[in-house]
Amino acid sequence: SSELTQDPAVSVALGQTVRITCQGDGLRRYYASWYQQKPGQAPVLVIYSKNSRPSGIPDRFSGSSSGNTASLTITGAQAEDEADYYCHCRDSSGNHLLFGGGTKVTVL
Amino acid sequence: QVQLVQSGSELKKPGASVKVSCKASGYSFTTYAMNWVRQAPGQGLEWMGWINTNTGSPSYAPGFTGRFVFSLDTSVNTAYLQISSLKAEDTAMYYCVRDWGGYCSGGSCHYNNNWFDPWGQGTLVTVSS
Repeated sequence: SSELTQDPAVSVALGQTVRITCQGDGLRRYYASWYQQKPGQAPVLVIYSKNSRPSGIPDRFSGSSSGNTASLTITGAQAEDEADYYCHCRDSSGNHLLFGGGTKVTVL
Repeated sequence: QVQLVQSGSELKKPGASVKVSCKASGYSFTTYAMNWVRQAPGQGLEWMGWINTNTGSPSYAPGFTGRFVFSLDTSVNTAYLQISSLKAEDTAMYYCVRDWGGYCSGGSCHYNNNWFDPWGQGTLVTVSS
Protein backbone atom coordinates (compact mmCIF):
# COMPACT_ATOMS: atom_id res chain seq x y z
CA SER A 1 0.00 0.00 0.00
CA SER A 2 1.18 3.52 -0.68
CA GLU A 3 -0.75 5.37 2.00
CA LEU A 4 -0.53 6.28 5.64
CA THR A 5 -3.94 7.10 7.07
CA GLN A 6 -4.51 9.52 9.94
CA ASP A 7 -7.68 10.98 11.41
CA PRO A 8 -7.96 14.58 10.19
CA ALA A 9 -8.62 16.16 13.56
CA VAL A 10 -8.85 15.43 17.26
CA SER A 11 -9.45 17.56 20.32
CA VAL A 12 -8.28 17.16 23.89
CA ALA A 13 -8.98 19.01 27.11
CA LEU A 14 -6.07 20.78 28.70
CA GLY A 15 -4.09 18.34 30.83
CA GLN A 16 -5.77 15.26 29.41
CA THR A 17 -4.39 12.51 27.20
CA VAL A 18 -4.80 12.22 23.45
CA ARG A 19 -3.70 9.46 21.11
CA ILE A 20 -3.15 10.00 17.39
CA THR A 21 -3.07 6.95 15.15
CA CYS A 22 -1.52 6.20 11.78
CA GLN A 23 -2.32 3.15 9.69
CA GLY A 24 -0.41 1.69 6.77
CA ASP A 25 1.04 -1.56 5.46
CA GLY A 26 4.60 -0.29 5.76
CA LEU A 27 4.14 -0.02 9.51
CA ARG A 28 4.23 -3.81 9.72
CA ARG A 29 7.92 -3.66 8.77
CA TYR A 30 9.16 -0.18 9.69
CA TYR A 31 8.78 2.13 12.65
CA ALA A 32 7.04 5.43 12.18
CA SER A 33 8.50 8.76 13.08
CA TRP A 34 6.27 11.67 14.09
CA TYR A 35 6.48 15.38 13.33
CA GLN A 36 4.80 18.38 14.92
CA GLN A 37 4.05 21.41 12.78
CA LYS A 38 2.74 24.66 14.18
CA PRO A 39 1.25 27.33 11.89
CA GLY A 40 3.88 29.14 9.87
CA GLN A 41 6.68 26.90 11.07
CA ALA A 42 8.70 24.01 9.69
CA PRO A 43 7.92 20.54 11.03
CA VAL A 44 9.83 19.28 14.07
CA LEU A 45 10.70 15.65 14.83
CA VAL A 46 9.04 14.58 18.09
CA ILE A 47 9.28 10.76 18.03
CA TYR A 48 11.61 8.43 16.14
CA SER A 49 12.47 4.74 16.24
CA LYS A 50 9.05 3.83 17.66
CA ASN A 51 9.45 5.63 21.01
CA SER A 52 12.57 7.79 21.19
CA ARG A 53 12.46 11.55 21.69
CA PRO A 54 15.03 14.01 20.33
CA SER A 55 16.66 16.32 22.82
CA GLY A 56 14.27 19.04 23.93
CA ILE A 57 11.04 17.16 23.27
CA PRO A 58 9.00 16.82 26.48
CA ASP A 59 8.46 13.35 27.89
CA ARG A 60 4.69 13.78 27.63
CA PHE A 61 5.16 12.70 23.99
CA SER A 62 5.42 8.95 23.45
CA GLY A 63 5.09 6.51 20.58
CA SER A 64 3.97 2.93 20.15
CA SER A 65 3.26 0.49 17.37
CA SER A 66 1.23 -2.67 16.80
CA GLY A 67 0.63 -4.44 13.53
CA ASN A 68 -0.14 -1.88 10.85
CA THR A 69 -0.85 0.93 13.30
CA ALA A 70 1.49 3.44 14.93
CA SER A 71 0.37 5.82 17.65
CA LEU A 72 1.56 9.08 19.12
CA THR A 73 0.31 9.82 22.62
CA ILE A 74 0.41 13.16 24.39
CA THR A 75 -0.06 12.62 28.12
CA GLY A 76 -1.14 15.79 29.87
CA ALA A 77 -1.63 17.93 26.77
CA GLN A 78 -0.56 21.56 27.03
CA ALA A 79 -1.78 24.57 25.10
CA GLU A 80 1.50 24.68 23.19
CA ASP A 81 0.86 21.16 21.86
CA GLU A 82 -1.87 22.49 19.59
CA ALA A 83 -0.50 21.72 16.13
CA ASP A 84 -0.66 19.42 13.14
CA TYR A 85 0.99 16.04 13.62
CA TYR A 86 2.28 13.89 10.78
CA CYS A 87 3.41 10.28 10.81
CA HIS A 88 6.18 9.18 8.46
CA CYS A 89 7.29 5.76 7.33
CA ARG A 90 8.40 3.78 4.31
CA ASP A 91 5.85 2.15 2.07
CA SER A 92 5.46 -1.63 2.14
CA SER A 93 8.06 -2.05 -0.64
CA GLY A 94 10.60 -0.10 1.39
CA ASN A 95 11.52 1.97 -1.64
CA HIS A 96 9.62 5.16 -0.96
CA LEU A 97 8.82 7.32 2.01
CA LEU A 98 5.35 8.44 2.94
CA PHE A 99 3.72 11.01 5.17
CA GLY A 100 0.30 10.58 6.66
CA GLY A 101 -2.28 13.20 5.83
CA GLY A 102 -1.82 14.87 9.21
CA THR A 103 -3.94 15.20 12.34
CA LYS A 104 -4.86 18.60 13.67
CA VAL A 105 -4.80 18.56 17.47
CA THR A 106 -6.89 21.18 19.26
CA VAL A 107 -6.33 21.69 22.98
CA LEU A 108 -9.54 22.89 24.62
CA GLN B 1 24.39 23.70 16.02
CA VAL B 2 23.06 21.55 13.21
CA GLN B 3 21.11 23.75 10.88
CA LEU B 4 19.75 24.03 7.36
CA VAL B 5 19.20 27.50 5.91
CA GLN B 6 17.20 27.85 2.72
CA SER B 7 17.05 30.63 0.19
CA GLY B 8 14.27 33.19 0.20
CA SER B 9 10.79 33.24 -1.30
CA GLU B 10 10.39 33.22 -5.06
CA LEU B 11 7.66 34.59 -7.31
CA LYS B 12 7.77 33.10 -10.78
CA LYS B 13 5.64 33.12 -13.90
CA PRO B 14 4.28 29.91 -15.39
CA GLY B 15 6.87 28.22 -17.60
CA ALA B 16 9.84 29.71 -15.77
CA SER B 17 12.37 27.83 -13.63
CA VAL B 18 13.42 28.22 -10.03
CA LYS B 19 16.38 26.99 -8.00
CA VAL B 20 16.10 26.69 -4.24
CA SER B 21 19.23 26.36 -2.13
CA CYS B 22 19.71 24.67 1.23
CA LYS B 23 22.96 25.36 3.10
CA ALA B 24 23.96 22.94 5.85
CA SER B 25 26.13 23.69 8.83
CA GLY B 26 27.13 22.05 12.11
CA TYR B 27 27.65 18.54 10.78
CA SER B 28 29.45 16.56 8.08
CA PHE B 29 27.37 17.36 4.99
CA THR B 30 28.32 14.23 3.05
CA THR B 31 27.45 11.83 5.90
CA TYR B 32 23.67 12.11 5.70
CA ALA B 33 21.21 11.99 2.83
CA MET B 34 19.28 15.14 2.07
CA ASN B 35 15.57 14.97 1.36
CA TRP B 36 13.09 17.41 -0.11
CA VAL B 37 9.48 17.79 1.03
CA ARG B 38 6.69 19.84 -0.52
CA GLN B 39 3.72 21.38 1.25
CA ALA B 40 1.05 23.01 -0.86
CA PRO B 41 -0.96 25.81 0.79
CA GLY B 42 -3.22 24.35 3.49
CA GLN B 43 -2.16 20.82 2.63
CA GLY B 44 -0.02 18.09 4.16
CA LEU B 45 3.58 17.08 3.70
CA GLU B 46 4.65 15.29 0.53
CA TRP B 47 8.00 13.54 0.17
CA MET B 48 9.70 14.49 -3.09
CA GLY B 49 12.79 12.30 -2.88
CA TRP B 50 16.38 12.38 -1.72
CA ILE B 51 19.95 12.85 -2.84
CA ASN B 52 23.03 10.80 -1.95
CA THR B 53 25.41 13.43 -0.58
CA ASN B 54 28.40 11.19 -1.30
CA THR B 55 27.80 10.81 -5.02
CA GLY B 56 25.16 13.41 -5.88
CA SER B 57 22.90 10.66 -7.16
CA PRO B 58 19.23 11.66 -6.78
CA SER B 59 16.15 9.50 -6.30
CA TYR B 60 12.72 10.95 -7.00
CA ALA B 61 9.36 9.99 -5.58
CA PRO B 62 6.59 9.15 -8.03
CA GLY B 63 5.10 12.39 -9.27
CA PHE B 64 8.37 14.26 -9.03
CA THR B 65 10.19 12.98 -12.08
CA GLY B 66 11.02 15.07 -15.12
CA ARG B 67 10.74 18.70 -14.00
CA PHE B 68 12.41 18.34 -10.61
CA VAL B 69 16.18 18.09 -10.19
CA PHE B 70 18.17 17.65 -6.99
CA SER B 71 21.84 18.62 -6.98
CA LEU B 72 24.71 19.43 -4.64
CA ASP B 73 27.75 21.62 -4.24
CA THR B 74 29.72 19.85 -1.54
CA SER B 75 32.38 22.60 -1.55
CA VAL B 76 29.85 24.89 0.12
CA ASN B 77 27.75 22.24 1.87
CA THR B 78 24.69 23.16 -0.15
CA ALA B 79 21.87 21.17 -1.73
CA TYR B 80 19.68 22.50 -4.50
CA LEU B 81 16.20 21.87 -5.83
CA GLN B 82 15.50 23.08 -9.34
CA ILE B 83 12.01 23.05 -10.81
CA SER B 84 11.52 23.77 -14.49
CA SER B 85 8.43 24.59 -16.57
CA LEU B 86 6.70 25.88 -13.47
CA LYS B 87 2.93 25.49 -13.16
CA ALA B 88 0.46 27.14 -10.84
CA GLU B 89 0.12 23.85 -8.95
CA ASP B 90 3.82 24.00 -8.04
CA THR B 91 2.97 26.86 -5.68
CA ALA B 92 4.05 25.48 -2.32
CA MET B 93 6.51 25.63 0.53
CA TYR B 94 9.54 23.51 -0.20
CA TYR B 95 11.62 22.11 2.65
CA CYS B 96 15.03 20.46 2.69
CA VAL B 97 15.60 18.08 5.57
CA ARG B 98 18.46 15.90 6.73
CA ASP B 99 17.84 12.18 7.20
CA TRP B 100 19.90 10.98 10.16
CA GLY B 101 18.31 7.55 10.37
CA GLY B 102 21.39 6.11 8.67
CA TYR B 103 24.51 7.36 6.94
CA CYS B 104 26.26 7.76 3.60
CA SER B 105 29.82 6.55 3.16
CA GLY B 106 32.04 5.25 0.38
CA GLY B 107 29.48 6.20 -2.24
CA SER B 108 26.53 4.34 -0.72
CA CYS B 109 23.85 5.35 1.74
CA HIS B 110 22.77 2.88 4.41
CA TYR B 111 19.38 3.51 5.91
CA ASN B 112 17.30 1.13 8.00
CA ASN B 113 15.36 4.07 9.38
CA ASN B 114 14.40 7.53 8.20
CA TRP B 115 14.46 10.27 10.80
CA PHE B 116 14.06 13.78 9.39
CA ASP B 117 15.88 16.37 11.45
CA PRO B 118 16.58 19.21 11.21
CA TRP B 119 14.35 20.84 8.65
CA GLY B 120 15.18 23.96 6.73
CA GLN B 121 12.91 26.92 7.37
CA GLY B 122 11.21 26.39 4.02
CA THR B 123 11.17 28.32 0.76
CA LEU B 124 7.86 29.55 -0.57
CA VAL B 125 7.63 29.28 -4.33
CA THR B 126 4.67 31.09 -5.84
CA VAL B 127 3.81 30.56 -9.48
CA SER B 128 1.48 33.21 -10.87
CA SER B 129 1.09 35.19 -14.05
